[in-house]
Amino acid sequence: NAGVTQTPKFQVLKTGQSMTLQCAQDMNHEYMSWYRQDPGMGLRLIHYSVGAGITDQGEVPNGYNVSRSTTEDFPLRLLSAAPSQTSVYFCASRSRGQQFFGPGTRLTVL
Amino acid sequence: QQQVKQSPQSLIVQKGGISIINCAYENTAFDYFPWYQQFPGKGPALLIAIRPDVSEKKEGRFTISFNKSAKQFSLHIMDSQPGDSATYFCAASRLKGVASGSRLTFGEGTQLTVNP
Repeated sequence: NAGVTQTPKFQVLKTGQSMTLQCAQDMNHEYMSWYRQDPGMGLRLIHYSVGAGITDQGEVPNGYNVSRSTTEDFPLRLLSAAPSQTSVYFCASRSRGQQFFGPGTRLTVL
Repeated sequence: QQQVKQSPQSLIVQKGGISIINCAYENTAFDYFPWYQQFPGKGPALLIAIRPDVSEKKEGRFTISFNKSAKQFSLHIMDSQPGDSATYFCAASRLKGVASGSRLTFGEGTQLTVNP
């Protein structure tokens, strides 16, 4: 199993650009989540999904969209990037309470 | 509102010493308390977790102590090694409920350095 995979590893955007962070898991987990990690703030939940076709907002959803068309994939879309979205983004999937995190995407918005 | 507060922000210990990281939570509905270990450039990985029906859980050199009445829990790393140098996060969630288990609330993190 590859576990949770994320692409790209690094990305630089200009303010106002849009992009999609990809996340995929091959463990057939129903639950998937997106977090952002900022220094001194731990990880904060952006959006999560309890299964294909079902998503909900977390703590910090503004500026981000998600969709879940398949069990495997859970992409995160930035519609109009802002410098405040500079962060490291982690995707996770969950099984029986244990969350498995991907390696992260480091995003810089200039 | 930070529902899980973690301290200290950074910790330096000598090899062989005991590392102690503390967390306090506010939401009494939380019923699952994991600790994650994160190395630079990697995602967090589950280290050890506890449910509130026990006061202590030990796995190797890692022990969680849980105080339900005080709403506090802590991670103890015995015989700390340089390889334990990493960032540690406590977290809390509700396992009951359809979506609750996906909603981990994290502490701010502790940067642990173990000197040789």
